Amino acid sequence: GAVVSQHPSRVICKSGTSVKIECRSLDFQATTMFWYRQFPKKSLMLMATSNEGSKATYEQGVEKDKFLINHASLTLSTLTVTSAHPEDSSFYICSAGIGGLNNEQFFGPGTRLTVL
Amino acid sequence: AQTVTQSQPEMSVQEAETVTLSCTYDTSESDYYLFWYKQPPSRQMILVIRQEAYKQQNATENRFSVNFQKAAKSFSLKISDSQLGDAAMYFCAPINQGGKLIFGQGTELSVKP
Repeated sequence: GAVVSQHPSRVICKSGTSVKIECRSLDFQATTMFWYRQFPKKSLMLMATSNEGSKATYEQGVEKDKFLINHASLTLSTLTVTSAHPEDSSFYICSAGIGGLNNEQFFGPGTRLTVL
Repeated sequence: AQTVTQSQPEMSVQEAETVTLSCTYDTSESDYYLFWYKQPPSRQMILVIRQEAYKQQNATENRFSVNFQKAAKSFSLKISDSQLGDAAMYFCAPINQGGKLIFGQGTELSVKP
């Protein structure tokens, strides 16, 4: 099956700093990449959808200036949490899909962000 | 807007027994896919099974099968011969025309030896 990697798997940073998370599709070209946030014992909350070469589409309530998404190529999308604060601490998951109604999404292993 | 309801926050099953996880959804779309994903303690999301809404035949993948009732908008997952490795969070997720998965709240399944 298709493989999606995320880096880093875990990051601890100080309040006020910015953190970048990378999501790569390793063996296929992803038309669309998705970014999710997940709190403990909770479901995945979609933050934004990004297509290669175009601006990301953010879900309602997600601050686009706080969570910067760049989809520079068909195999790489990045999420930058700017000026991170403790409330941004969470588990962030990316997924990549090839598009279409049968848009099976292949998920990365996730990144645990802790902001001190 | 699409909504997904998994009414069982937690379920438990004895090893080798069968368990059914329920899911209902609401959608105005006529053609769509539905998925069940599994999230074990590693938190890696794993696709368990998918169902095409226009197909009346229920999907089956080895020990996993679905009971898809399109009119009732119900999409339950049956796990037969449960194994310890089946212990995980299970999420039901239809996909909308925009390609977005709409996740339910999840059901935490524990398997007793």
